[in-house]
Parts: sequence; structure tokens; C-alpha cells
Amino acid sequence: DAGVIQSPRHEVTEMGQEVTLRCKPISGHDYLFWYRQTMMRGLELLIYFNNNVPIDDSGMPEDRFSAKMPNASFSTLKIQPSEPRDSAVYFCASSFGDRGVRVSQPQHFGDGTRLSIL
Amino acid sequence: AQTVTQSQPEMSVQEAETVTLSCTYDTSENNYYLFWYKQPPSRQMILVIRQEAYKQQNATENRFSVNFQKAAKSFSLKISDSQLGDTAMYFCAFMKPQRAQKLVFGQGTRLTINP
Repeated sequence: DAGVIQSPRHEVTEMGQEVTLRCKPISGHDYLFWYRQTMMRGLELLIYFNNNVPIDDSGMPEDRFSAKMPNASFSTLKIQPSEPRDSAVYFCASSFGDRGVRVSQPQHFGDGTRLSIL
Repeated sequence: AQTVTQSQPEMSVQEAETVTLSCTYDTSENNYYLFWYKQPPSRQMILVIRQEAYKQQNATENRFSVNFQKAAKSFSLKISDSQLGDTAMYFCAFMKPQRAQKLVFGQGTRLTINP
């Protein structure tokens, strides 16, 4: 059973370039999350979707960041223009929503994309 | 807002020893979920164990167990018979159930198992 798939695994680009990170959630999951991990700030939730609709984007740092989920099996996180301070590991995660049944629904993470902006 | 605190930035033990990682959280909710995730050097985030707040029984998964103290808002992870492969960052996480599926993570504890 395939897990959450992220691409690319590593990305190195110059400041000012557009960066697009991709994620394929686990089939059947209706929640998708984008996280950023840095040494200074730890794991931060950037945005999450439910049934392809953005629910909470309060963690998105600036207008330079945007995320889309055109269908249930694909999401992108875009940074334009990129800056050196955007360097981090970006994780995508997916889960089943809580249907009101008192069973925890853990998030399953992809392997992350290590982004380096020079 | 919920917060999660891991007070031990780093820990180191010998192989086969038992180690306990601490986690405290702050919430006004009565029902919620708690998780421990492991992040080895390979960078994957791997779910280790989960606990539902309404369950009094502490969760266990093989060598991993938790000590859940709801009144104290404490959720520690115990690793028994530690192995070299347990070397990783460990993150405690909190989640409210229903609708809001957001995980709030602690800052992590870097655990090193020495041979």
C-alpha cells in the first residue's frame, strides 16, 4: 500500500526562482496537510485541505506561498519568488477525517522535500 | 490555543536500557488525541504510538508504552530494551478530534542509543 508520495526529495535553487513541491496523498484520505520543518521553529502547519478545499491557511507565512489541491490525489505548494529563509524540509501528510467516532485518525507523512534556496 | 512542551532537547542511553521521554501539553479540551512520532536520520515521520484522552488505559506498542496523566496533562513515552534503531528525534503531538484535524507538535527530543 503506497504511502504519501512527495516530489522532489531534494530541491536546490537560486533566490527569486519559483519552486513547486508536489504531494500525492494516500488514496481515500480526505485531509491533506503541508508542514514546514526548521531547526529554529520546529514543525509548523502551513495549510490543510479537507475534500480538496483549503480549510485553514493561517500558517502560510506570506503571499509568496500558495497551495492548491485540484483533485483528491494531488496537491502542490508553490513559493514565488523564493528566498533563502524559505530553506527547510517541507512535509505533506494525509489522514481520514474523524467521522465522529471516537477513534484517533493519525496523519501519515511523506518523506519530505529538502528545499535549499541559495 | 494548545501548546505542547518537550523539556528534554537531547537524551542519550546505552543499548538495552529503558528511557523515558517527557511531554506536557496545555489544553482546555476534554476529548483529544495524543501521539508520539519518531523521525530517524532518514527524515521520515513515523507514528510510534497514540492515545485517546477518554481512555484511562495507557497505550502500548511492543517496546513502546506511554504514561498518560490526564489531570497533570502529561504524556511520557517509555522505550524498553532500547535498540540502536531507536536513535531518532521524537515528537509529541496533540490533536483535537472532529473537524479540526490539526496536529500541534512539541519541539522534539533527540534520542541517541549508544552501543
